[in-house]
Amino acid sequence: AQSVTQPDIHITVSEGASLELRCNYSYGATPYLFWYVQSPGQGLQLLLKYFSGDTLVQGIKGFEAEFKRSQSSFNLRKPSVHWSDAAEYFCAVVGRRGGATNKLIFGTGTLLAVQP
Amino acid sequence: DVKVTQSSRYLVKRTGEKVFLECVQDMDHENMFWYRQDPGLGLRLIYFSYDVKMKEKGDIPEGYSVSREKKERFSLILESASTNQTSMYLCASSISGRPDREQFFGPGTRLTVL
Repeated sequence: AQSVTQPDIHITVSEGASLELRCNYSYGATPYLFWYVQSPGQGLQLLLKYFSGDTLVQGIKGFEAEFKRSQSSFNLRKPSVHWSDAAEYFCAVVGRRGGATNKLIFGTGTLLAVQP
Repeated sequence: DVKVTQSSRYLVKRTGEKVFLECVQDMDHENMFWYRQDPGLGLRLIYFSYDVKMKEKGDIPEGYSVSREKKERFSLILESASTNQTSMYLCASSISGRPDREQFFGPGTRLTVL
């Protein structure tokens, strides 16, 4: 069955430092992968997505992610974190192809705190 | 921009009450979803709908039902609320069922069942 693992429940980084959030997926074929961010008190917003092609994808707010098939990973990165990046981050994979809907399977999330 | 709205940000209900959570999207999307979000569990799919009057169970449908009478509106119903249904509920929509289509989320309803 498809699944997503985010091994880090909580991460704290200093403002200006680099960031990497880990995501591992389980899926038999080429996956459709997403990263979403949830700021406090808000719904989820899409940061970036990967389906095919270049394995390094760029997203909004200066984020990027790299798809590595050999490691079944899709880690999210940012070279310099801003205080406004404090939020919860979710990795997701499309759990079912075909049919009438794009059913997402989410990881358990990583809560990012940013120190001044 | 796509806008997904939910009828309440915060809701407090008593055990045994019938609870309605409403979700409306304004972009003529085909698919709509209800998730619940709990700490340490991420988002779990309760129900989804791919057309008016069409629905399908997600991963945790027990204790819930849904209604989609109009394309833009998707309701989640707790027939008899219980304390273990205290949670954050998120609605989402997407333009179609293609796997590359983004889901757009509402701000969530935090439901407390006493």
